[in-house]
Amino acid sequence: EPEVTQTPSHQVTQMGQEVILRCVPISNHLYFYWYRQILGQKVEFLVSFYNNEISEKSEIFDDQFSVERPDGSNFTLKIRSTKLEDSAMYFCASIDREGYEQYFGPGTRLTVT
Amino acid sequence: AQSVAQPEDQVNVAEGNPLTVKCTYSVSGNPYLFWYVQYPNRGLQFLLKYITGDNLVKGSYGFEAEFNKSQTSFHLKKPSALVSDSALYFCAVSPADSGGYQKVTFGTGTKLQVIP
Repeated sequence: EPEVTQTPSHQVTQMGQEVILRCVPISNHLYFYWYRQILGQKVEFLVSFYNNEISEKSEIFDDQFSVERPDGSNFTLKIRSTKLEDSAMYFCASIDREGYEQYFGPGTRLTVT
Repeated sequence: AQSVAQPEDQVNVAEGNPLTVKCTYSVSGNPYLFWYVQYPNRGLQFLLKYITGDNLVKGSYGFEAEFNKSQTSFHLKKPSALVSDSALYFCAVSPADSGGYQKVTFGTGTKLQVIP
């Protein structure tokens, strides 16, 4: 069964550094999403992406964040200058043409020190 | 704005007993409703969804959920719990009136502990 994949599984970075989190959505899916889950808290929406542009973003998704689909398979989340409070599990998700349920990747645990 | 409430942080149930994990929601218009399960150090795994039609929906691993519009609830149920069902369960909602591609809003999660 096709799956959403994410790399790396764990990223440790110093405050102020740039990080890029990578996702490979399921191949025939059209909509792509990033969510994050701070340890012990609920999963929060960051951004949705369709047809090479952002469809919706949350207030968390400020100017330090950006997303890109650089080729036909990858979907990336960049954080330009990481803060301690960016430490979280970041999940990528995608939806197929029919819509409805989102398929989530295994997540990238980002630790900012 | 849409929201989900999961009133129980943890539910304990004996193996073989029926289980219920509660969820209520708030959304403008009709809802699409989902349950996801998260095992330790794993991603979110889709269990089941309500889109339209029958209020009782069946999903993976013997789980089912009942949509109750008047009570704005979507409780997750299973007739006989297994120890392997122990995990973190998330209820989620998105607004139906905006199509099937909208962001999903999650509840805070309920930890299910099945006791052997």
